[in-house]
Amino acid sequence: KNEVEQSPQNLTAQEGEFITINCSYSVGISALHWLQQHPGGGIVSLFMLSSGKKKHGRLIATINIQEKHSSLHITASHPRDSAVYICAASNTDKLIFGTGTRLQVFP
Amino acid sequence: GAGVSQTPSNKVTEKGKYVELRCDPISGHTALYWYRQSLGQGPEFLIYFQGTGAADDSGLPNDRFFAVRPEGSVSTLKIQRTERGDSAVYLCASSPLSVGELFFGEGSRLTVL
Repeated sequence: KNEVEQSPQNLTAQEGEFITINCSYSVGISALHWLQQHPGGGIVSLFMLSSGKKKHGRLIATINIQEKHSSLHITASHPRDSAVYICAASNTDKLIFGTGTRLQVFP
Repeated sequence: GAGVSQTPSNKVTEKGKYVELRCDPISGHTALYWYRQSLGQGPEFLIYFQGTGAADDSGLPNDRFFAVRPEGSVSTLKIQRTERGDSAVYLCASSPLSVGELFFGEGSRLTVL
């Protein structure tokens, strides 16, 4: 069992739909990161959170420390949101990555 | 530049050769990480530097892999006697703190023939 698991692995949506990607972790963490990776591109940090909720534009990230669970939400999804979204648990000095969720948003 | 810079962006080499991959972090970032990402997989941790020292090298797969950061800025990942299984994208990230937001480079794609 991976220490960081994401679901779903693949997700397709129509433009405008509300999207949720889930992340569960089994290790103790100092922070939880949500990252975005476009095909052939580098990784961009979306959020780093250790409690509660953060919002940036159409993106919202939440974390429940007791349940060891985090969610990334995308409101009013757009084709340009198509990418791989990666959850990573920060455990002292290293990140433990999930395998990612591949999102495709169709017009 | 303002971001993390990695060179080369692509490297094709033959089995058994020596390879160096360079990472130039954001100025002032003390923490530097190397990760490796195989096709269809999430990144996996290789090594973490805090300043000049390797604070955690537990992710290096074997003694063919070595990394340095002699002046606490630029880092070089060195791979000896490359094998086909070393083919992957090697990602570098830096952070102003040991547990802080990470800034990733575009990666160096290594192909071992």
